[in-house]
Amino acid sequence: KAGVTQTPRYLIKTRGQQVTLSCSPISGHRSVSWYQQTPGQGLQFLFEYFSETQRNKGNFPGRFSGRQFSNSRSEMNVSTLELGDSALYLCASSLDVGIEQYFGPGTRLTVT
Amino acid sequence: GENVEQHPSTLSVQEGDSAVIKCTYSDSASNYFPWYKQELGKRPQLIIDIRSNVGEKKDQRIAVTLNKTAKHFSLHITETQPEDSAVYFCAASEGNYGQNFVFGPGTRLSVLP
Repeated sequence: KAGVTQTPRYLIKTRGQQVTLSCSPISGHRSVSWYQQTPGQGLQFLFEYFSETQRNKGNFPGRFSGRQFSNSRSEMNVSTLELGDSALYLCASSLDVGIEQYFGPGTRLTVT
Repeated sequence: GENVEQHPSTLSVQEGDSAVIKCTYSDSASNYFPWYKQELGKRPQLIIDIRSNVGEKKDQRIAVTLNKTAKHFSLHITETQPEDSAVYFCAASEGNYGQNFVFGPGTRLSVLP
């Protein structure tokens, strides 16, 4: 099976812009989670989707949003970008809760 | 909410020695505890996991132990090799409704030849 894929791999945006990141889970996986990884804060949970429903949300401002499509592909959107949003954004997929979660390669977002 | 602490933050061992990384969690409802290895510039990779109904699990040179009473779990790597050098993350998940992994801050392991 193909692994988790994310596009784009790299992005450079300026403050105030918005960005959309995409994640395609492993075939058959219905749960997709998003994480922000920074050197200072480690891996922080953003949200999780299962069958197009957001089931869990981390402590991030409303500028961070996401959605999941019927084919389990997921997108996350960040509006009004701030310098502090520069990070590696990772998505991970799993069959369901409480079981193995597999990460994609990440999208490195740089906000200038 | 869940809080996961991880120690040490950095660890250097000689090739062939053992390495132990410890994590503690706060939410007694957490029932799934994976460990991830992240090499520089790469994605985190699941290396071993344990569920709350099991006390120990081994896979070749790596093992994980869980003490539910004390709410801590540990990763043990024996006969370390240079390719074991990476950042290791532990995580805890309640797993009853939705995925909500809380990760530890990571341990940078360096295996010296």
